[in-house]
Amino acid sequence: GQQLNQSPQSMFIQEGEDVSMNCTSSSIFNTWLWYKQDPGEGPVLLIALYKAGELTSNGRLTAQFGITRKDSFLNISASIPSDVGIYFCAGQLINTDKLIFGTGTRLQVFP
Amino acid sequence: KAGVTQTPRYLIKTRGQQVTLSCSPISGHRSVSWYQQTPGQGLQFLFEYFSETQRNKGNFPGRFSGRQFSNSRSEMNVSTLELGDSALYLCASSEDDGYTFGSGTRLTVV
Repeated sequence: GQQLNQSPQSMFIQEGEDVSMNCTSSSIFNTWLWYKQDPGEGPVLLIALYKAGELTSNGRLTAQFGITRKDSFLNISASIPSDVGIYFCAGQLINTDKLIFGTGTRLQVFP
Repeated sequence: KAGVTQTPRYLIKTRGQQVTLSCSPISGHRSVSWYQQTPGQGLQFLFEYFSETQRNKGNFPGRFSGRQFSNSRSEMNVSTLELGDSALYLCASSEDDGYTFGSGTRLTVV
């Protein structure tokens, strides 16, 4: 199936550190979404980006829609233990409502 | 508003059986999408329904089918289950304000 290239695959960081992850694709996207998934639950939307170049924050989270519309990044500042989980990017292709998901970044935060 | 509700949460079936999963979207949302999540393949798009019509379809065999009712509730059916169908099946509803996922149905095929 079709997936976005998401990196890094996993991160082990200390509480208080900043985190950065990104997604890239050869396709152009209309929308970029960032989700967090806890074990046994569905993904929860963190940030939605709708315009190329858009930079959006949600508390300690900041995400940007790349100028080329082929990439996006998510930053988490001053990480805390409850940030632990799997983070997914998702892109919505032009002229379709279909979401393509990244392969996920597993984040572990140590106190 | 209430979130996306998926039932059942957990299901165990044997090979060869068929299964039906249910998804109730957020009130007012007309689009329902289904995804299969496995450790090896990640989140894979199955299909999307909008106003009772299948609007998009992923690359899954014909054993996977779905439908949507007039109240926007959707069902997904998998026939002749295989061991590889074991996965978390997620449904997401959307209107203009982005996609909201349910907690999923964990299907185990033995």
